[in-house]
Amino acid sequence: GNSVTQMEGPVTLSEEAFLTINCTYTATGYPSLFWYVQYPGEGLQLLLKATKADDKGSNKGFEATYRKETTSFHLEKGSVQVSDSAVYFCALSESAGGTSYGKLTFGQGTILTVHP
Amino acid sequence: DVKVTQSSRYLVKRTGEKVFLECVQDMDHENMFWYRQDPGLGLRLIYFSYDVKMKEKGDIPEGYSVSREKKERFSLILESASTNQTSMYLCASSLSLLFGAGGTDTQYFGPGTRLTVL
Repeated sequence: GNSVTQMEGPVTLSEEAFLTINCTYTATGYPSLFWYVQYPGEGLQLLLKATKADDKGSNKGFEATYRKETTSFHLEKGSVQVSDSAVYFCALSESAGGTSYGKLTFGQGTILTVHP
Repeated sequence: DVKVTQSSRYLVKRTGEKVFLECVQDMDHENMFWYRQDPGLGLRLIYFSYDVKMKEKGDIPEGYSVSREKKERFSLILESASTNQTSMYLCASSLSLLFGAGGTDTQYFGPGTRLTVL
């Protein structure tokens, strides 16, 4: 079956540091890949997505590239801020169309804390 | 903007009680989902529904049931709450991916209900 593995946290960084959160996946077919973010006390919100190989998703200074050859979708940001402190989830969808119903498989989440 | 609301942010119940968690979305989405979120385990799918009165088991359906009588509302029911059901419960919705429906697989989440069973 499908699975998503994220780097273990928590991750603690100083403001303006470079961020990488690793994500690798196992899937049949051609899934879409997502990063969701959960700020303290809130539900998840979509951060970025990519729907096919070599696509790059980007939002709020975060980027991730869909790498089919390495089955990876690592999240990066060049300069983190205190406001980026949150839990980050990598996820994949079953292949679009047919009867997949858009179910998502999530990684375990990575807690990011950014200090001033 | 898509809005998904959940009936309670915090809930405390006793072992053996019947618990209802309600979720409402206002974007006419066909698909709705219930997850539980536990530290170190990410989100695990309990049940989902792709249409009114239709439901499918997710990865961890034991001890739960669901109801979808109207398109905008999806209820999660704990028939007899137990302490191991203490968790954060998240509801989500998305457009249909079925051929011709023109949807995407992006899910939109509610704020969550933190349930404590004593």
